[in-house]
Formats: sequence, C-alpha cells, structure tokens
Amino acid sequence: EVQLVESGGGLVKPGGSLRLSCAASGFTFTKYSMTWVRQAPGKGLEWVSSITGSSTHVYYTDSVKGRFTISRDNAKNALFLQMSSLRAEDTAVYYCARIYCSGGTCWFDPWGQGTLVTVSS
Amino acid sequence: QSVLTQPPSVSGAPGQRVTISCTGSSSNIGAGFDVHWYQHLPGTAPKLLIYGNTNRPSGVPDRFSGSKSGTSASLAIAGLQAEDEADYYCQSYDSSLSVFYVFGTGTKVTVL
Repeated sequence: EVQLVESGGGLVKPGGSLRLSCAASGFTFTKYSMTWVRQAPGKGLEWVSSITGSSTHVYYTDSVKGRFTISRDNAKNALFLQMSSLRAEDTAVYYCARIYCSGGTCWFDPWGQGTLVTVSS
Repeated sequence: QSVLTQPPSVSGAPGQRVTISCTGSSSNIGAGFDVHWYQHLPGTAPKLLIYGNTNRPSGVPDRFSGSKSGTSASLAIAGLQAEDEADYYCQSYDSSLSVFYVFGTGTKVTVL
C-alpha cells in the first residue's frame, strides 16, 4: 500500500524554525517528484514546494522563497521541509503528496494526513 | 493566491446531480493544461477524484465525472450520497506565474 506519513508539526514563535518530515512507503521513492501543499485555517489548498526524484530541481511558491527549503533522503524514503523565519500566515496543515505524471500531465496522489504548524507568540 | 475560481458551495438532495465549475484563464486551463479534482474531508488526507480532466482512478465511483472546455472545467456528481459531503478542489498548472501548481478556491458540497 502506498502511504505517506507527515510529522514534525507543532507550535512555534514568529521568526522561529521547524522541520517537517514525510515518510514514504509502498512505492519506489526515487522515481517520483514530491510536493508539499498547505491549508491555512478556513482557507483552501495552496501549493508550497516541489522536488524532483534526484533532487536536481526544486520549486517554491513566492511567499516561502528564501525561508523554506525542500529536500529528500532517497536512502530513507523521506521528504523534508525546513521552515525558517516563520510568520503567522504560515500557520496551516501541511500535507506531503507524491507527484504522479502520465501523458504529459501531473497530479498529486496519494496525500498524507497532514501535520499542523501553528505560528504564534 | 487561487487563480482558479470555484463556487463556494453547492447543495443537493440525495440522489440528485450537482456540478462544480472551475474557471481559469488563458495561462492555465485555457492554455491546454489538464485539470484534476480532489475530494477533501476535514481532518483527512485529500483524495484524488479525477485526473487528466476526465479520468477516474481505480476505486472512485462512476457517479463522479469530469469535463473541460475552453478556460473552464467541471466536476459532476450524480446520484448524490451523504458520504459525498466534503470540500472539492480543482487543480491545474499555470504558465504565467512562478506558482507551478494552482488550486481552485474550493467548493463545499452539502447533501440536504
């Protein structure tokens, strides 16, 4: 069974740092790009960052560039999101997802259950 | 910043058919990029419902169908069931922004 399990969320003060992890199982991790998507309270889904299978290319939404770093450890089937200079507006449930591509198009499947990040003093 | 617009809510009685629209522009849906749909129940992992505009993953009931035309896409739910009450999001790709993947604003489906 393909499975993604996030961890590392919690309460952090503005300006602080947090590292999220996503443990993957049930598929050949190195073959897939991975992504982080977040959902702020009462808001919709927002794409945050993506990384290719070999970590060659990384992408970020503008609001987190320079503050967040996506990485992966293919030997451990793990995806990470290092978050620094956190702001109140980063408060959200963070989901990791596998990027599945076929026929020139890509979608997110499956997703993890999410981990809550709360930025507050 | 959602560049794909969905109605905030739709509702229907059990057994009815509802549709959710997803309106984009010439830089995303209108540029030919595919649309995908997700179902999200609060507190759970979002679930892929439709990929590549019209395709259902294994296990998704055929009550769910997708379509795309011009700068818009639609998700239809036929024979509405209580378990369909959830949030639904469309997703595509945008060539004009540095935001590679874009989501719709989300639609809450309520079963009356």
